[in-house]
Amino acid sequence: KNEVEQSPQNLTAQEGEFITINCSYSVGISALHWLQQHPGGGIVSLFMLSSGKKKHGRLIATINIQEKHSSLHITASHPRDSAVYICAVNNNNDMRFGAGTRLTVKP
Amino acid sequence: DSGVTQTPKHLITATGQRVTLRCSPRSGDLSVYWYQQSLDQGLQFLIQYYNGEERAKGNILERFSAQQFPDLHSELNLSSLELGDSALYFCASSVNWETQYFGPGTRLLVL
Repeated sequence: KNEVEQSPQNLTAQEGEFITINCSYSVGISALHWLQQHPGGGIVSLFMLSSGKKKHGRLIATINIQEKHSSLHITASHPRDSAVYICAVNNNNDMRFGAGTRLTVKP
Repeated sequence: DSGVTQTPKHLITATGQRVTLRCSPRSGDLSVYWYQQSLDQGLQFLIQYYNGEERAKGNILERFSAQQFPDLHSELNLSSLELGDSALYFCASSVNWETQYFGPGTRLLVL
């Protein structure tokens, strides 16, 4: 079993829909990251969380340390949100990655 | 533009060869991280340097090595290359395990 599990693997949505991507982890962590990888390959760090909730524009990330679970929400999704979203955790100066969620938003 | 630069963008080489990938971090960032992304393994953390010293080690093979120079740029050396080393290699920089800024990656193809 992977230490970082993401669901769903693939997600297709219509423009304007509310999107949720989930991440569960099985190790102790100091922080959790959400990354976005564009079709061209470039990676952008969206959030780094150690507790609670963070919001940036239409993106919201939450983490529940007790349940070892984090969610990434996208409100009013847009085709430009189409990308792979990757959850990663910091664990003892190591970084473990989920397999990613491929999001496609159709106009 | 993240402010992190990587060269070269693409690299094609043969099995058994040695290559060097270069990364320049964002101005002011002391930490540099190297990651490998392959189709079958996904993203994997290789190694972190902080202000010239190795700080953390992940799944880095013994055939791979890295260093960070006094001007804070870093190099990842891959030797005795195998077909399975074909991957995207990303460098990222940060203050120290804070939000990381990723470079555009180097796509390595070993034939």
